[in-house]
Amino acid sequence: NAGVTQTPKFQVLKTGQSMTLQCAQDMNHEYMSWYRQDPGMGLRLIHYSVGAGITDQGEVPNGYNVSRSTTEDFPLRLLSAAPSQTSVYFCASSYSPAGELAGELFFGEGSRLTVL
Amino acid sequence: KQEVTQIPAALSVPEGENLVLNCSFTDSAIYNLQWFRQDPGKGLTSLLLIQSSQREQTSGRLNASLDKSSGRSTLYIAASQPGDSATYLCAVLEYGNKLVFGAGTILRVKS
Repeated sequence: NAGVTQTPKFQVLKTGQSMTLQCAQDMNHEYMSWYRQDPGMGLRLIHYSVGAGITDQGEVPNGYNVSRSTTEDFPLRLLSAAPSQTSVYFCASSYSPAGELAGELFFGEGSRLTVL
Repeated sequence: KQEVTQIPAALSVPEGENLVLNCSFTDSAIYNLQWFRQDPGKGLTSLLLIQSSQREQTSGRLNASLDKSSGRSTLYIAASQPGDSATYLCAVLEYGNKLVFGAGTILRVKS
């Protein structure tokens, strides 16, 4: 049972380059989300999705795009990387759409991104 | 705007001690509160989830309580062990379906 799988685990980019962080889950979860974790700031929500075809912005969405064409996959795209996007990125999923039925969140191992 | 605060930021205790981690939040309009554990270089692992209608949840040596009206939660760890050393984070799920995290408490249990 793979759970939530993120790739790549490490990536170094130059300013202005674009890339996609991949996230896949095999638990048939409806709710998926992306967070960034920075020292002293905890985790901040970037984008989330409550089901295929539905996405919404979190706390820090600027500079990032997402799409949800299938239940399993939720890629995060950096359009033009900036040094301020140097961070550890986590993908997470939950079995229920959210709200009162929201269940525990399952996290991937993280993707460490450095932008030079 | 929801703000989640965890106190203390770091804690070092000898093995065997019982300890309490604190989490407070500013807006009581939440669906649930979760406690997570994060080991260095790893993702987060859910420990306990408390629905807004519940007062506490227990799992093994862990007990989490929730007082929604006062905006507080505590995580109680009984008989701490070196393997409990990690960062513990709490998070609340707001009515807007956004999970807001605290900055975490770094716990070190000395053998």
